[in-house]
Parts: sequence; structure tokens; C-alpha cells
Amino acid sequence: DQQVKQNSPSLSVQEGRISILNCDYTNSMFDYFLWYKKYPAEGPTFLISISSIKDKNEDGRFTVFLNKSAKHLSLHIVPSQPGDSAVYFCAARALPGGSYIPTFGRGTSLIVHP
Amino acid sequence: DAGVIQSPRHEVTEMGQEVTLRCKPISGHNSLFWYRQTMMRGLELLIYFNNNVPIDDSGMPEDRFSAKMPNASFSTLKIQPSEPRDSAVYFCASSQEETQYFGPGTRLLVL
Repeated sequence: DQQVKQNSPSLSVQEGRISILNCDYTNSMFDYFLWYKKYPAEGPTFLISISSIKDKNEDGRFTVFLNKSAKHLSLHIVPSQPGDSAVYFCAARALPGGSYIPTFGRGTSLIVHP
Repeated sequence: DAGVIQSPRHEVTEMGQEVTLRCKPISGHNSLFWYRQTMMRGLELLIYFNNNVPIDDSGMPEDRFSAKMPNASFSTLKIQPSEPRDSAVYFCASSQEETQYFGPGTRLLVL
């Protein structure tokens, strides 16, 4: 049973518009969330994270929102650029007392059209 | 730093053959992880080491899979005998604190 779910396997967006990638989780012990970005033929790279004590974290064009009551987080990319085309993995981790190893979703493939 | 280094980048083998994947973590990182990525299951953690000691291998699919970390700068993941369902991309990652750094992966195809 997947504890971290990315229900949209793919997303297509026009350059300059907003990209919204969604992630749901089931384990209420998760309290730290991460997004990784993966280009073809490369390994995933860390993009942005958020602790459960916050509901928003922003880094340039990337913002992650966390809704703990709904067990939902989302990654917003504004404005989207063709170079953002990649697979985005949502991951969640339980601390303290749990494993610091993140559990990953299956990923969402984002395509940004020029 | 060169980042996490994995070899080979691609491996094609026949069913029943032994496959060995190699990983060199980032110097100074004390944790090392092996992941497998498939379309159906996404990124699955197979095993992780802390200070060269295997901590959790519950993700290793079966006895055909084994992993070693003889020193802080080298780890191997071995599949013996390999099967077509083992075809996937295998990633190694290392970390010092919270953020994991992934290697480029080994794309394995078992015919």
C-alpha cells in the first residue's frame, strides 16, 4: 500500500503558466516532506522541502504548500519554463522516532511546452 | 566533488547471469542507499547502510539480491541469478544529514 501517492502520472503546461503538482500521503507520522526533480538519464536531485510546522515554503519560482489536515501537499512552479520539464517525485519522512529515510511517490512527469 | 558515482551506467545481461552494480558515495557521507525505479512501483528503497553497516534491508526483494559496503567509499549490489523482472534503473544515493544525493543510476536489462 502506497503511503505517498502522486495520482497524476503526467502534466502538460504552457510556458509561462503555473504548474501544480499534487501529492497525498496516508501516514500521519510523516512530518517532513521533500520534492525531488529528475531529468532523463540522471538521478533525482533535491528541489525543496517543508516541515510540518509550516504550511508554505518558497524558493524562487518554486513553492510547496502543505495541508496537514487533508494530508496533501502541492508544488507550484511559477512561471513554468521548458527547462522545468522533468519527473517530480514527492517524498515524506517521519521524525522523530521514525525512520529518517523518505518514502517516495511514483512521480509526475511535467512537460512545459514553449 | 564528483557526486555519487555509479557503474556501469547500462547493463544488458541474460537471465541467470550474475550482475554486480557499483557505487562510490560522496566523500564524508555516512549513509548510503540503494533504490530501484520501475514504472509500476516508482522509487523503492532496497537497502541502506549507516557507517558501512546495513541498517535496513527489508526492501531487498529476495535472496537473489545482496549488498555490501566493505568501506566508506564503495558499495555493491549483486543479483544472482538475474531474472527479466529485475530489469529497472538502480540508483545509489548518499547523505550526511537530511538530503540524499543520487547517482545517475544503472539501467539494467535482463533478457
